[in-house]
Amino acid sequence: DAKTTQPNSMESNEEEPVHLPCNHSTISGTDYIHWYRQLPSQGPEYVIHGLTSNVNNRMASLAIAEDRKSSTLILHRATLRDAAVYYCILNSGGSNYKLTFGKGTLLTVNP
Amino acid sequence: NAGVTQTPKFRILKIGQSMTLQCTQDMNHNYMYWYRQDPGMGLKLIYYSVGAGITDKGEVPNGYNVSRSTTEDFPLRLELAAPSQTSVYFCANQRGSTDTQYFGPGTRLTVL
Repeated sequence: DAKTTQPNSMESNEEEPVHLPCNHSTISGTDYIHWYRQLPSQGPEYVIHGLTSNVNNRMASLAIAEDRKSSTLILHRATLRDAAVYYCILNSGGSNYKLTFGKGTLLTVNP
Repeated sequence: NAGVTQTPKFRILKIGQSMTLQCTQDMNHNYMYWYRQDPGMGLKLIYYSVGAGITDKGEVPNGYNVSRSTTEDFPLRLELAAPSQTSVYFCANQRGSTDTQYFGPGTRLTVL
């Protein structure tokens, strides 16, 4: 399975943008890039996903490098509720639809 | 709609006891998963199912069993509980192979 590399932790201030990086240098052409986050004492929740083009939704934006070997999750205005562990995961679907969770990035948001 | 529900929320077992963790969904999704999460770690896949009657092992299946007799239910069975199975267990479902996974609230299990 193609693996991802994320920083262990990041800090941000409330109402400032946050850029969470993810490296996936061995990504294959059929791998979707998924982001999930896990708030304290909760199950993971979906944030966003994409294949090749940048994606936006109400929660965040996903910027994918042209060579697809890295991506960045962008939270446009961090709030205290965004403090969580963020996971970057590759999913190629088909017969390989299982998600592999790493340790993710622990985001701390300062008031 | 409740989504993915899990029971119980908490449980303490003695070594050697057995129990079943329940997982139910009302989303009619074919794919269902069981994960465990140890403190400070990411989730590890225990078992998964692509539809009723079909199950397969994940990364850490030893000490667990599953069944999938209906689309809605995917119970996880611990036969002989061991301290190493102390963890938080999450059930999830997914509509298609590249779709979003939806997670339940988790079951916190302690084996003493």
